[in-house]
Amino acid sequence: EVQLVESGGGLVQPGGSLRLSCAASGFTLSTYWMHWVRQAPGKGLVWVSRVNSEASSTYYADSVKGRFTISRDNVKNTLFLQMNSLRAEDTAVYYCARQQHFGMDVWGQGTTVTVSS
Amino acid sequence: QSALTQPPSVSGSPGQSVTISCTGTGNDVGPHNRVSWYQQPPGTAPKLMIYEVTNRPSGVPDRFSGSKSGNTASLTISGLQAEDEADYYCSSYTSSSTWVFGGGTKLTVL
Repeated sequence: EVQLVESGGGLVQPGGSLRLSCAASGFTLSTYWMHWVRQAPGKGLVWVSRVNSEASSTYYADSVKGRFTISRDNVKNTLFLQMNSLRAEDTAVYYCARQQHFGMDVWGQGTTVTVSS
Repeated sequence: QSALTQPPSVSGSPGQSVTISCTGTGNDVGPHNRVSWYQQPPGTAPKLMIYEVTNRPSGVPDRFSGSKSGNTASLTISGLQAEDEADYYCSSYTSSSTWVFGGGTKLTVL
């Protein structure tokens, strides 16, 4: 079964850091571009970041640029999101998603990040 | 990176058709045939319904169709069913090599 499973979310104080992981199974992660997308409580989907299959190209939303870093370990079939200098407005469910053609065809169940003192 | 514009809500009765619009700019929807649509029932992860403006992934009913004209893309759901009730989001690739989502549309089946 093709599946993505996120982990690493939790409660963190403003200014703190978290590292999210997204484990892929049922397919070879290395052949796909991957994304992180977040959704604040009661709000819509917001694109966060994308990495190409070789990890040679990364892009970020302006709201996280310079604070978040997307990476991947194709040997371990895992995608990561390192989040630093966290703010209250980063509170959200974070989803990883696989890109197929120009659509995100496989999504994880999400991991919740809460930034609060 | 402004969000694409969608109507906050639409509604229809079973069997009817509804159309959800998604308006962008000349930097996203307009120049790229890379618009996708997602369905998200409450408490669940999004599901891809349409990719590259008009294409349906395997398993998505042909009641769902997509189109685009200029800077506006549209998702049409025909033969509305109760199970179609959900939030719907459009997304587009942009000329900055980033992606952008719409604000979401809540579909109510009356």
